[in-house]
Amino acid sequence: GAVVSQHPSWVICKSGTSVKIECRSLDFQATTMFWYRQFPKQSLMLMATSNEGSKATYEQGVEKDKFLINHASLTLSTLTVTSAHPEDSSFYICSARDLLNRGTYNSPLHFGNGTRLTVT
Amino acid sequence: DAKTTQPPSMDCAEGRAANLPCNHSTISGNEYVYWYRQIHSQGPQYIIHGLKNNETNEMASLIITEDRKSSTLILPHATLRDTAVYYCIVRALLNSGNTPLVFGKGTRLSVIA
Repeated sequence: GAVVSQHPSWVICKSGTSVKIECRSLDFQATTMFWYRQFPKQSLMLMATSNEGSKATYEQGVEKDKFLINHASLTLSTLTVTSAHPEDSSFYICSARDLLNRGTYNSPLHFGNGTRLTVT
Repeated sequence: DAKTTQPPSMDCAEGRAANLPCNHSTISGNEYVYWYRQIHSQGPQYIIHGLKNNETNEMASLIITEDRKSSTLILPHATLRDTAVYYCIVRALLNSGNTPLVFGKGTRLSVIA
């Protein structure tokens, strides 16, 4: 149980275009999802917290107008990288907790398999 | 959340136990210890977590010292598929809500045939 799915698993786009990444909780509902970014040979860095039905909360240094987050339903959050540039090339990972079935905030955070974005 | 310190890398022979240490000397009473791993080009995978008692599941065992200042993740019979970066994370729970995990640099475990 508690599966988080991301799509696409990889994408190549041209500089200046926008790319949308989907994150779905397949067998549970998630009012909150977390988006991370990981550059090569580095650890995961939290980008933003996505809240269903309200605005996302962004970490310091993350441009909210560049990384648009929409959490329109209890099972889907999307991250859109707008006007992508080569420096946006990275591994983007989403995560969520199954609070309904687990019931506590110490339940594990489940991660998607990530989306590798390459901007040429 | 308390800071953790892990060795940057470790090797382990296939079939042997892998013991991954983590130092969290500033841990407070309401903080849990979580372990995740990340296999290359995949999302992190939850392994185990605990507060003060030793824990065991189908993947690993977690040994927490009595003073809770350090812990060890044990993979009893390491296989080549256990090669990954292992992250030890300390997280407070009381009144913390649904908060994210903060990842350090982890330990890169290489299981050698």
